[in-house]
Amino acid sequence: DVKVTQSSRYLVKRTGEKVFLECVQDMDHENMFWYRQDPGLGLRLIYFSYDVKMKEKGDIPEGYSVSREKKERFSLILESASTNQTSMYLCASSLRGNEQYFGPGTRLTVT
Amino acid sequence: GEDVEQSLFLSVREGDSSVINCTYTDSSSTYLYWYKQEPGAGLQLLTYIFSNMDMKQDQRLTVLLNKKDKHLSLRIADTQTGDSAIYFCAEYGGYQKVTFGIGTKLQVIP
Repeated sequence: DVKVTQSSRYLVKRTGEKVFLECVQDMDHENMFWYRQDPGLGLRLIYFSYDVKMKEKGDIPEGYSVSREKKERFSLILESASTNQTSMYLCASSLRGNEQYFGPGTRLTVT
Repeated sequence: GEDVEQSLFLSVREGDSSVINCTYTDSSSTYLYWYKQEPGAGLQLLTYIFSNMDMKQDQRLTVLLNKKDKHLSLRIADTQTGDSAIYFCAEYGGYQKVTFGIGTKLQVIP
């Protein structure tokens, strides 16, 4: 079975802090994704990566950056956290970009 | 751009069938998916259908695809309380881009 893990289930940070969310997959997948999930808005793609050191902006990249130094690890960075970034963050991986496997999510609260 | 629409809420009695509907706009979609999200968890891939198929059955799950109307449905037979969750419809239009609906919350009444 594909396993996607995320570094934290719950996180509370203060406005202005730098926040790192880590995601690791164990299936040698080429593609990895970061989404945020908000009530009434569904899943929105922040960034994705199709290879090591490669990244593409999704629908809502503003205020976020990503890093993929190793194939199995994809990090989401909030350079200066703001209250409107309070959300559930979901990481996913995929071999070909279509069938995506999700981690358990990180619920981030920015106060 | 691509859009996937679903109703927000469905309530059924335990033992009845549930039918969750979805419409999409991208006629070039190659795969269509159903994901399940239980409270506090990530999304779990339930099933998928390739765009050249009309129907796919997997135990209690039946997926129907009407490509002409761009309509996808998920039928859950003999719905159980463990089926209570949010169900997301999603379509893959190529280039690693999957578009998700906002999810249908299924409530199963014992």
